[in-house]
Amino acid sequence: EDQVTQSPEALRLQEGESSSLNCSYTVSGLRGLFWYRQDPGKGPEFLFTLYSAGEEKEKERLKATLTKKESFLHITAPKPEDSATYLCAVGAMTGTASKLTFGTGTRLQVTL
Amino acid sequence: SQTIHQWPATLVQPVGSPLSLECTVEGTSNPNLYWYRQAAGRGLQLLFYSVGIGQISSEVPQNLSASRPQDRQFILSSKKLLLSDSGFYLCAGLRAGFYEQYFGPGTRLTVT
Repeated sequence: EDQVTQSPEALRLQEGESSSLNCSYTVSGLRGLFWYRQDPGKGPEFLFTLYSAGEEKEKERLKATLTKKESFLHITAPKPEDSATYLCAVGAMTGTASKLTFGTGTRLQVTL
Repeated sequence: SQTIHQWPATLVQPVGSPLSLECTVEGTSNPNLYWYRQAAGRGLQLLFYSVGIGQISSEVPQNLSASRPQDRQFILSSKKLLLSDSGFYLCAGLRAGFYEQYFGPGTRLTVT
């Protein structure tokens, strides 16, 4: 069974204080490691897809990296508007359908 | 790019009443479509997915059903709601040949 574990559950940072979120996973036949951002009461917003170990992707203050067992979402000099829940998911194929297994997320709060 | 529409945004229903949530997709044809439920403080739980018209796969035996009457329409239904059906329901779509899913805005269902 595919599993995704995210840590920490919650993280409070001051503006400008860089940190990393962790996503460890086990999956049979990885078809991508996905990061999403979710604001309260809204649907998840797609951020990144990583497909192979060693791959990195960046978007503004966010950088995602992937190893064979885990992924990190690095947040550099965060701002209050980066406050959200960050979800990690792994993709796998079931027959002809692609499916995602999600972790429970990391709630990030960035304060002034 | 594809856009996922969901309605209603919020819904309050009494126990034992029927349910119909609708999801439509713009900007792509023959997408894979997904229904998820998100309980407070928990990850996204996949309920149903569909790879085409009339093709529905169920992930979790429960009080809900899904239908796909048209290529870009996905409906989540129940004949009699239970208190445990309360939650945040999300529809997602995936373009053929890609692995990242894009989510709609969600429906907050409260069963009283």
